[in-house]
Amino acid sequence: AQSVTQLGSHVSVSEGALVLLRCNYSSSVPPYLFWYVQYPNQGLQLLLKYTSAATLVKGINGFEAEFKKSETSFHLTKPSAHMSDAAEYFCAVSKGGTASKLTFGTGTRLQVTL
Amino acid sequence: GAGVSQSPSNKVTEKGKDVELRCDPISGHTALYWYRQSLGQGLEFLIYFQGNSAPDKSGLPSDRFSAERTGGSVSTLTIQRTQQEDSAVYLCASSLLQGAQEKLFFGSGTQLSVL
Repeated sequence: AQSVTQLGSHVSVSEGALVLLRCNYSSSVPPYLFWYVQYPNQGLQLLLKYTSAATLVKGINGFEAEFKKSETSFHLTKPSAHMSDAAEYFCAVSKGGTASKLTFGTGTRLQVTL
Repeated sequence: GAGVSQSPSNKVTEKGKDVELRCDPISGHTALYWYRQSLGQGLEFLIYFQGNSAPDKSGLPSDRFSAERTGGSVSTLTIQRTQQEDSAVYLCASSLLQGAQEKLFFGSGTQLSVL
């Protein structure tokens, strides 16, 4: 079975500071890993995904994540936070292939302050 | 519309009543998922439809929950004899392709409150 653990249900950073949202996964097979973002009053949307190609994945809005097998991690980063980044971020894992379902973490709410 | 549409956006019901939640996926998307989002619980997988295959119901929490997808398009999630612990946001998502190419498009959800 696949699972993800997101460390920190709330993260607060200053505008312009580094954003680091942590995600560790557990999977019995090489995983596919995803980050989804949910802006206030909007549905979830895909930020980026790892599917066994390059270990450093770049997503929308300047976010990126690095797959580290040795650490079973897929942390999300952004060099400089913007007020518009305030949202809830979900890490997810699947085993890929057909009929695979995404298993989501509990989410991390990012607050960006002036 | 261009996105995944869910209705109603909000539903308040009394304990013991049945409710139906509707999802209109993006036209042409063959895969459809239902998830439940509870406070502090993340996104809980409920059920998955892919084309004409038998649905994956492994996430349904009890036999009070059921879902169907008619004509490979619209899906209805039914909760019978609702309980207070059923209160949550129910999210529907659809996608066209599988595996590495898969990208889920989510609806805005139905906020269910069971009094």
